[in-house]
Amino acid sequence: DTGVSQNPRHKITKRGQNVTFRCDPISEHNRLYWYRQTLGQGPEFLTYFQNEAQLEKSRLLSDRFSAERPKGSFSTLEIQRTEQGDSAMYLCASSLASGVSTQETQYFGPGTRLLVL
Amino acid sequence: SQQGEEDPQALSIQEGENATMNCSYKTSINNLQWYRQNSGRGLVHLILIRSNEREKHSGRLRVTLDTSKKSSSLLITASRAADTASYFCATGTAGGSYIPTFGRGTSLIVHP
Repeated sequence: DTGVSQNPRHKITKRGQNVTFRCDPISEHNRLYWYRQTLGQGPEFLTYFQNEAQLEKSRLLSDRFSAERPKGSFSTLEIQRTEQGDSAMYLCASSLASGVSTQETQYFGPGTRLLVL
Repeated sequence: SQQGEEDPQALSIQEGENATMNCSYKTSINNLQWYRQNSGRGLVHLILIRSNEREKHSGRLRVTLDTSKKSSSLLITASRAADTASYFCATGTAGGSYIPTFGRGTSLIVHP
């Protein structure tokens, strides 16, 4: 168990460019979450997957954002036509949920820090 | 989804002192979790307390939950400089869509 990993750790891009982040969850975890965190705030939920199915998306996730988890393992988060307001830390977390579970603990990756110039 | 709000927003103490942080939320929950985040890093899960529990311990951590007041507290005893971090509570409800909602956190500084 190597924990949740995220790549890249840092990304600097120019406004209008597309960026893609990757998250590798803990291998046996079936749920994967994406969050966004800005300075001085807690993580804000963006979307989550159970296996390969994207089950819920936040209203924060505009049309420029898309996430995939094609084989139920790693996930990618793409931001198209980046804006300065997209600058934030993007966190990924995974968990193991079985049935109707209310006790699951999320394990977070180190995050990808995005700066849009 | 629920929202946990931590207070104080910032706490500065000396090593060896105890640190107490509070979390309030608005609606019924099934569990509440506390996380720690070191500067620029991901969150680390500390402890989960279920709605039918009133107190839970883990090492130097003690968490209480008062569902009648919709509040929880996290006590760190005999604090160390390494406890310097932001602490968040996250609340969740029953059902298949477990989406914990985080507050803004308490920033704790422990001076050596």
